[in-house]
Amino acid sequence: DQQVKQNSPSLSVQEGRISILNCDYTNSMFDYFLWYKKYPAEGPTFLISISSIKDKNEDGRFTVFLNKSAKHLSLHIVPSQPGDSAVYFCAASGGSNFGNEKLTFGTGTRLTIIP
Amino acid sequence: DSGVTQTPKHLITATGQRVTLRCSPRSGDLSVYWYQQSLDQGLQFLIQYYNGEERAKGNILERFSAQQFPDLHSELNLSSLELGDSALYFCASSVEASGVRGNTIYFGEGSWLTVV
Repeated sequence: DQQVKQNSPSLSVQEGRISILNCDYTNSMFDYFLWYKKYPAEGPTFLISISSIKDKNEDGRFTVFLNKSAKHLSLHIVPSQPGDSAVYFCAASGGSNFGNEKLTFGTGTRLTIIP
Repeated sequence: DSGVTQTPKHLITATGQRVTLRCSPRSGDLSVYWYQQSLDQGLQFLIQYYNGEERAKGNILERFSAQQFPDLHSELNLSSLELGDSALYFCASSVEASGVRGNTIYFGEGSWLTVV
């Protein structure tokens, strides 16, 4: 059962335009959400996060939006740059006490920025 | 460079065999996490150790086991390997036990396991 879903396996965006990556979750107990970025031959690196008490968090060109009622979050990258080409993973945590430390990841979206 | 070191980077082995993947956490980090990424799958949490003790368990098969040693490095042992065990295995580390608040978890580059 995939509790965190990224339904778009790939996305291509022109350089300078906005990239929007989407993520849906099913577990209403999740209370913290994160985006990770992964380049080939490297491990995932943390990008940005949001707590369930907020609906928006911004860090430079990256903004994450959370819609709890829809169980949906999105990552906006503005403006998109060639170095943003990578695989982006959505992740969530929460839902239990003992296992609270674990992250549940989506399957990733490969973003390609076209020069 | 995250500071998390995983060896080997690539490994090819036959079905039925046993392999050991090794992880050295960042200096000062007490928690080690293991994740599995299969083809077209997200990262699946396997197990976490904190300061030598098992802290949390995820979707880890009984054929798999892990441990964290006094020097804090960790090993993931995979036995009776099947074709479906072919995957990228990530190790991550954090300072505290509850390191899920994103930026406190650092991932290694992963170990590619191919079972033939």
